[in-house]
Amino acid sequence: EDKVVQSPLSLVVHEGDTVTLNCSYEVTNFRSLLWYKQEKKAPTFLFMLTSSGIEKKSGRLSSILDKKELFSILNITATQTGDSAVYLCAVESTNAGKSTFGDGTTLTVKP
Amino acid sequence: DVKVTQSSRYLVKRTGEKVFLECVQDMDHENMFWYRQDPGLGLRLIYFSYDVKMKEKGDIPEGYSVSREKKERFSLILESASTNQTSMYLCASGGGRPFFYEQYFGPGTRLTVT
Repeated sequence: EDKVVQSPLSLVVHEGDTVTLNCSYEVTNFRSLLWYKQEKKAPTFLFMLTSSGIEKKSGRLSSILDKKELFSILNITATQTGDSAVYLCAVESTNAGKSTFGDGTTLTVKP
Repeated sequence: DVKVTQSSRYLVKRTGEKVFLECVQDMDHENMFWYRQDPGLGLRLIYFSYDVKMKEKGDIPEGYSVSREKKERFSLILESASTNQTSMYLCASGGGRPFFYEQYFGPGTRLTVT
């Protein structure tokens, strides 16, 4: 059974801090890993990672995948209160053709 | 921009009622998904569809059925609602075949079964 574990479950930081969110996975026939941000509504897509060692970057957010060690990290630098959200990690398998989601990391950024 | 809409934001139904949740996407995506989201359990896949009239069971299909008569519309049906089906239901769509690329989510339907 495919499995995605995110850590920490929750995190409280102050504006300007840098945070690192972790996602480890066990999946048969890995296809890709995806990060989503969920505020008080549905998730929105952030990144899709398919290759090891290639950093994806969007503004203050960046992510990288390690397919040997089976994990990914999501970094957020110079955090802002608007970054407060649940960050979801999902892994796609070529077998089932669907995504398995982790439980998410709840990030709270205090002013 | 991709738009995924769901028929209701909030729904209250009684135990035993038949419930229809509708989802429509406007990006001509082949793939559509229904998830439920519960605290501490994350997003769990109920059913997905990769083509019109095609459906596949996800991780928790029991108590649910789906219908995809048109490419843009994917319906989730609770034949006889039960209190343990109280949850947030999220619909998503995405392109790509045979693999599933990034998914775009609707706003969600919060269903309460009393």
